[in-house]
Amino acid sequence: GENVEQHPSTLSVQEGDSAVIKCTYSDSASNYFPWYKQELGKRPQLIIDIRSNVGEKKDQRIAVTLNKTAKHFSLHITETQPEDSAVYFCAASIYDMRFGAGTRLTVKP
Amino acid sequence: GAVVSQHPSWVICKSGTSVKIECRSLDFQATTMFWYRQFPKQSLMLMATSNEGSKATYEQGVEKDKFLINHASLTLSTLTVTSAHPEDSSFYICSAIPGGTGGTAYGYTFGSGTRLTVV
Repeated sequence: GENVEQHPSTLSVQEGDSAVIKCTYSDSASNYFPWYKQELGKRPQLIIDIRSNVGEKKDQRIAVTLNKTAKHFSLHITETQPEDSAVYFCAASIYDMRFGAGTRLTVKP
Repeated sequence: GAVVSQHPSWVICKSGTSVKIECRSLDFQATTMFWYRQFPKQSLMLMATSNEGSKATYEQGVEKDKFLINHASLTLSTLTVTSAHPEDSSFYICSAIPGGTGGTAYGYTFGSGTRLTVV
């Protein structure tokens, strides 16, 4: 089955800096790659996603890149703000969804 | 947008009892629903895939006799934790995919989750 690895597990940046989280996946058939932000005790919130026929997608300060050949995808957050502090999960999917281990992002004011 | 309702949001039960969690798709039909478990500070782990009108498919290591899944209608799937023990305490969350997504998980919609505490 699909195996998703995510790095780093924790990331601390200064407000205004950029943050990058990277994920790799194992199943070349995976065709959908979402990123989620999760607050403690709540459901994951979709922040951006990309399908396998697209290499890059951007939404304001957030962008995702996908390299199908290397089977990795990354989340880029620019101009980070304290409210970006949360746990972020990547996922890869054919139909069911498999999650990475998560990254705890801390943005210091 | 698509909404998945999950109840209860939290439950405390005694060791050895059973607990049922419901997951409903409110404005779409979900032929397939997914059940995840999330322990504190860990990721969401897929437990099983629930298919309407047929037996659920369980992930390796998940006891099907302990985690009973029923998907009797296109809008309702239930997860029953039988003979619960403290180690079953976790955050359980369901999800579903609305139709017309072109064979991808685009539009994956999560329920609000259930915090189970077994004492």
